[in-house]
Amino acid sequence: QSALTQPASVSGSPGQSITISCTGTSSDVGSYNLVSWYQQHPGKAPKLMIYEVSKRPSGVSNRFSGSKSGNTASLTISGLQAEDEADYYCCSYAGSSRWVFGGGTKLTVL
Amino acid sequence: EVQLVESGGGLVQPGGSLRLSCAASGFTFSSYDMHWVRQATGKGLEWVSAIGTAGDPYYPGSVKGRFTISRENAKNSLYLQMNSLRAGDTAVYYCARGTYSYMDVWGKGTTVTVSS
Repeated sequence: QSALTQPASVSGSPGQSITISCTGTSSDVGSYNLVSWYQQHPGKAPKLMIYEVSKRPSGVSNRFSGSKSGNTASLTISGLQAEDEADYYCCSYAGSSRWVFGGGTKLTVL
Repeated sequence: EVQLVESGGGLVQPGGSLRLSCAASGFTFSSYDMHWVRQATGKGLEWVSAIGTAGDPYYPGSVKGRFTISRENAKNSLYLQMNSLRAGDTAVYYCARGTYSYMDVWGKGTTVTVSS
């Protein structure tokens, strides 16, 4: 099972919006609406930000949103804030009780 | 407070074994699937194993046959027995509470270093 493909880095200025893509295959992202996104600050554990493609856990800002088209899922962060600077990982259920993560995207807030 | 605390990491020689533990608190442990996820220094997250509420284990090909996940619901504990360790297994190992949809609670991780 290969890792999902994410851009290595994205950047944006405070207040702007950015989108991080996550490309898989018809065996994972394309087959299931079970894509989740995680935020990880340096030295910290990952934090769930989006699940089931577009749902937000309680306590996560509505500036974070998710979507999916075909084999590609996307995470959009609007109204960028300095605290959003972190690494972001997508994850998809891949069938047969297996999961696959993306390679991660470093978000820089300029 | 919902919490997961990993332990058992350390330095081990190639070919050696190590057993990681994860202590759960603040929720009904027996009602949740659980995962192990690892992260090598400077690298991304990698799913390592999962176990269902009935104790059914699941692994990716990279660790199948070498790692064994188990749980002891009476002790609110998750375990990962790692055998035939390789340098490539060096990473921070996280336990996480999860479903098919997400992993919503994570521990702080325990570091495993495989080196001679």
